[in-house]
Amino acid sequence: DTGVSQDPRHKITKRGQNVTFRCDPISEHNRLYWYRQTLGQGPEFLTYFQNEAQLEKSRLLSDRFSAERPKGSFSTLEIQRTEQGDSAMYLCASSGRTSVQETQYFGPGTRLLVL
Amino acid sequence: AQSVSQHNHHVILSEAASLELGCNYSYGGTVNLFWYVQYPGQHLQLLLKYFSGDPLVKGIKGFEAEFIKSKFSFNLRKPSVQWSDTAEYFCAEYNQGGKLIFGQGTELSVKP
Repeated sequence: DTGVSQDPRHKITKRGQNVTFRCDPISEHNRLYWYRQTLGQGPEFLTYFQNEAQLEKSRLLSDRFSAERPKGSFSTLEIQRTEQGDSAMYLCASSGRTSVQETQYFGPGTRLLVL
Repeated sequence: AQSVSQHNHHVILSEAASLELGCNYSYGGTVNLFWYVQYPGQHLQLLLKYFSGDPLVKGIKGFEAEFIKSKFSFNLRKPSVQWSDTAEYFCAEYNQGGKLIFGQGTELSVKP
């Protein structure tokens, strides 16, 4: 399978714990995006990378959230001191090199539940 | 702020009925528009996209959408739906920075 993959698919944690999610984009794609989706809503942009550079962060990304893409390949999204309001589906997408307008391809998501 | 609105939250149709899902976008500059679909238990998949040219865009599985600049609309249509079209549909627009702005989604239920 050469699509976008995410790990884990599900995560249950207790409030106050730290969690980390991983995204592996399509191999030739240089742009990688993180979105968050809550029930009944469309995905909301969190941040994006071009190669290893983080180019934009949403206001939704509080200081407890950090994302990295150290070698321009896979990316991690860490949430520190989780809160119940962090419960959501976290989606990763990637797009190619030729244009910022390239189609974004989405992974299956990581569903987070904070108890 | 740039936004995308989808008028219908939940649509219920019988098989063979025609479908039209509304989408309005707010950004008045160069527009790049998308419809994504999420089947139950699956990830978001691209149905179709509009960047420029012919405002009537054809996508996969018999779907099409019409870009009407004067109405800021990009409605999704299908002449005859099937039970397998049951899914959630999202309209989205590119922000100039390259990120997608999504509508809140429309859940489509098709009765066999």
